[in-house]
Amino acid sequence: GEDVEQSLFLSVREGDSSVINCTYTDSSSTYLYWYKQEPGAGLQLLTYIFSNMDMKQDQRLTVLLNKKDKHLSLRIADTQTGDSAIYFCAGRDDKIIFGKGTRLHILP
Amino acid sequence: DTEVTQTPKHLVMGMTNKKSLKCEQHMGHRAMYWYKQKAKKPPELMFVYSYEKLSINESVPSRFSPECPNSSLLNLHLHALQPEDSALYLCASSQDRASGNPDTQYFGPGTRLTVL
Repeated sequence: GEDVEQSLFLSVREGDSSVINCTYTDSSSTYLYWYKQEPGAGLQLLTYIFSNMDMKQDQRLTVLLNKKDKHLSLRIADTQTGDSAIYFCAGRDDKIIFGKGTRLHILP
Repeated sequence: DTEVTQTPKHLVMGMTNKKSLKCEQHMGHRAMYWYKQKAKKPPELMFVYSYEKLSINESVPSRFSPECPNSSLLNLHLHALQPEDSALYLCASSQDRASGNPDTQYFGPGTRLTVL
């Protein structure tokens, strides 16, 4: 089955870019996702990428997929205080498998 | 309307109580999910309903009993829970689970459950 790994913590200055990295094991995942969870809230889907794509951009968000290395990243440009949250990478096998989440902390 | 609603927001119950969590969506989605999330952990899938039929049960103890009365509603009946069942219970829905679809799941805000 799918296994998804990501670093647990990232600290970034306001206005800089944030890059959150993720690795996965199952190359048969057809879709890979990024979800955001703010304190006390449910998960919000930020974006997803189909496995035959290398890159997807949506406003401040850029997703890069390296299938050879099974590596997925989420870049947030011009990071704002409202971006402070936990970001979950997820892959889809028969069901969605979440990574442990990366807590993004914004420094003033 | 891209909202999944869950009630109640908070629930405190004793180990002998029976309670129910409710979830509702009006997006015409035909797949609905229950997840359990402990603090500082990712969500763990509990149940999946597809076209109102239970399609995945992730070996969840029988003290948790799901019900899908219609395509818009999903319930989770709770009975004889243990303190370790205290968690955030998240409901989600997606259009359907046909292969080839992104299965984009929309999550509700969750019910924070405390079992005393």
